[in-house]
Amino acid sequence: EDKVVQSPLSLVVHEGDTVTLNCSYEVTNFRSLLWYKQEKKAPTFLFMLTSSGIEKKSGRLSSILDKKELFSILNITATQTGDSAIYLCAVPLNSGGSNYKLTFGKGTLLTVNP
Amino acid sequence: DTGVSQDPRHKITKRGQNVTFRCDPISEHNRLYWYRQTLGQGPEFLTYFQNEAQLEKSRLLSDRFSAERPKGSFSTLEIQRTEQGDSAMYLCASSLEGNTIYFGEGSWLTVV
Repeated sequence: EDKVVQSPLSLVVHEGDTVTLNCSYEVTNFRSLLWYKQEKKAPTFLFMLTSSGIEKKSGRLSSILDKKELFSILNITATQTGDSAIYLCAVPLNSGGSNYKLTFGKGTLLTVNP
Repeated sequence: DTGVSQDPRHKITKRGQNVTFRCDPISEHNRLYWYRQTLGQGPEFLTYFQNEAQLEKSRLLSDRFSAERPKGSFSTLEIQRTEQGDSAMYLCASSLEGNTIYFGEGSWLTVV
């Protein structure tokens, strides 16, 4: 059965800390992996990863994919209170190259305290 | 605002009533999706349109649920004879072909 598992499910840190969020997957016909940030409303897109070992970076956030070990990590450096959110990992299933049918993990709830 | 918009944002209804949610996708996005999210879970796929054609429906979508996208632009999701288990956030999303999927703000449904 296709599945996406995120860990930890929740994490509390202090401002300035660096965090690493994990996402492992077991899917057939893997094409890509996506990360979203959700703050009490709709998920907002962060990254889409398709190739192993190539880091994607946006400000203090970065992500990398390991297709051999079937996981991805999302790093956030110098965390700020505004980073508090649920971080969702998603993989399209049986998509035949199309990203429409996303299967999400349960998410990691990150709380950054001042 | 040119993002995905959903209406209403919040709906409280009595069990057994019908509710309808509307979604306006990003203009020119030919694909539109509905997902459902409950507390502590990631969004779950419900259904997907390419233009006006509904191409796939999840098994989560019982006979009480119906979605339409009559002109290939906005979409509606109707739930008939609501049950308490229908309480969730209903997310609409859109994309252009196989590109990044963008989500709307969601419509919260509470069935009492």
